[in-house]
Amino acid sequence: SQTIHQWPATLVQPVGSPLSLECTVEGTSNPNLYWYRQAAGRGLQLLFYSVGIGQISSEVPQNLSASRPQDRQFILSSKKLLLSDSGFYLCAWSGTGGWEQYFGPGTRLTVT
Amino acid sequence: DQQVKQNSPSLSVQEGRISILNCDYTNSMFDYFLWYKKYPAEGPTFLISISSIKDKNEDGRFTVFLNKSAKHLSLHIVPSQPGDSAVYFCAASGKDFGNEKLTFGTGTRLTIIP
Repeated sequence: SQTIHQWPATLVQPVGSPLSLECTVEGTSNPNLYWYRQAAGRGLQLLFYSVGIGQISSEVPQNLSASRPQDRQFILSSKKLLLSDSGFYLCAWSGTGGWEQYFGPGTRLTVT
Repeated sequence: DQQVKQNSPSLSVQEGRISILNCDYTNSMFDYFLWYKKYPAEGPTFLISISSIKDKNEDGRFTVFLNKSAKHLSLHIVPSQPGDSAVYFCAASGKDFGNEKLTFGTGTRLTIIP
């Protein structure tokens, strides 16, 4: 069966510090991968998606970037965090041609 | 532009009764719809979906209804149980959106009262 992992679970970082969140998927090959953010009291905002290694599409211009160095690994990064980057970050995967997306447990990021 | 709208931010229902969560969409190109359930500090979990070729899909206590002419879908939970207390998101997509991207609503917090 497929499993998706995210770490860390929680993170408190000062403004201006770098960020690296990691997501890995097990039990499937060539998944579509997604990064979402849920700000307090808000819905799910798609940040990035990837259909293959090295292929990244950005949905919202912002202070973040994403990379996919391996088939089942998706990384969300920032060089300098802003207060507005605080939120709950979720990684998700879907199979090729499938509409259902399956989410990881999320990372709570607080920028102070 | 919010293409998927959940106009009720919260809903309280007595245990054992029916919970009805609503979702409206504006883009007529959407042809696949999903409902997700989310507990605090966890990722959303997929509940049920419906294709635009159907008007109803049922899975146990959960039924999704789709009214294409009204661009409206609803999720019925019957009977409601305390474990159903969570935030529910509807999402939409379609073959013209590429790469199976989903557009989510803002969510409805459902509270089941024992």
